[in-house]
Amino acid sequence: EVQLLESGGDLVQPGGSLRLSCAASGFTFSSDAMSWVRQAPGKGLEWVSTISGGGEVTNFADSVRGRFTISRDNSKSTLYLHMNSLRAEDTAIYYCATTRGGTGWYGRFGPWGQGTLVTVSS
Amino acid sequence: EIVLTQSPGILSLSPGERATLSCRASQSVSSRYLAWYQQKPGQAPRLLIYGVSTRATAIPDRFSGSGSGTDFTLTISRLEPEDFAVYYCQQYGSSPLTFGGGTKVDLK
Repeated sequence: EVQLLESGGDLVQPGGSLRLSCAASGFTFSSDAMSWVRQAPGKGLEWVSTISGGGEVTNFADSVRGRFTISRDNSKSTLYLHMNSLRAEDTAIYYCATTRGGTGWYGRFGPWGQGTLVTVSS
Repeated sequence: EIVLTQSPGILSLSPGERATLSCRASQSVSSRYLAWYQQKPGQAPRLLIYGVSTRATAIPDRFSGSGSGTDFTLTISRLEPEDFAVYYCQQYGSSPLTFGGGTKVDLK
């Protein structure tokens, strides 16, 4: 059974940094692209970033490009999101998800983790 | 960027009724790369349909997807109590990957 477990969410001040982790099990982690998708309180879903299975290709939404980086450690089956220069509008639940079925790094999302809450506030 | 517009925003129905949800794209979605998700309160989204019409693992056959180009539909043939939730469409044919704003199916 595929399991994705996010951690690292916290309350952080504007301008601060945070690193999220997503521990994966139940599938061949290095074979799949992985993504972060976020959901602001009471709002819809927003794609944040995707990384290819080997980690060579990364992509970001315009809203986070230059502030967030994505990485993975395939030896530990773990995905990361490094978040810098955080803003109030980054407040959201952050989900990790496998990303499959499109062309290149594009794909649909699923399965998903349960999410981790990031709150940016002073 | 492909903008996905879902309608209606809220669909009020009773168990046993048929639900028809619409997702319209601002430009053609390439290669049928359109997916649907279900999200219940306090839970992560769950993949229902991908490739416009292929059900994901363990999704019951009362859920079906159809459409092409810019117009897509999710149909729930007979609503069960556990189907009352928010549904999102997503395109994965071009970057950035985008979601629709969601349709809430609630109890009439």
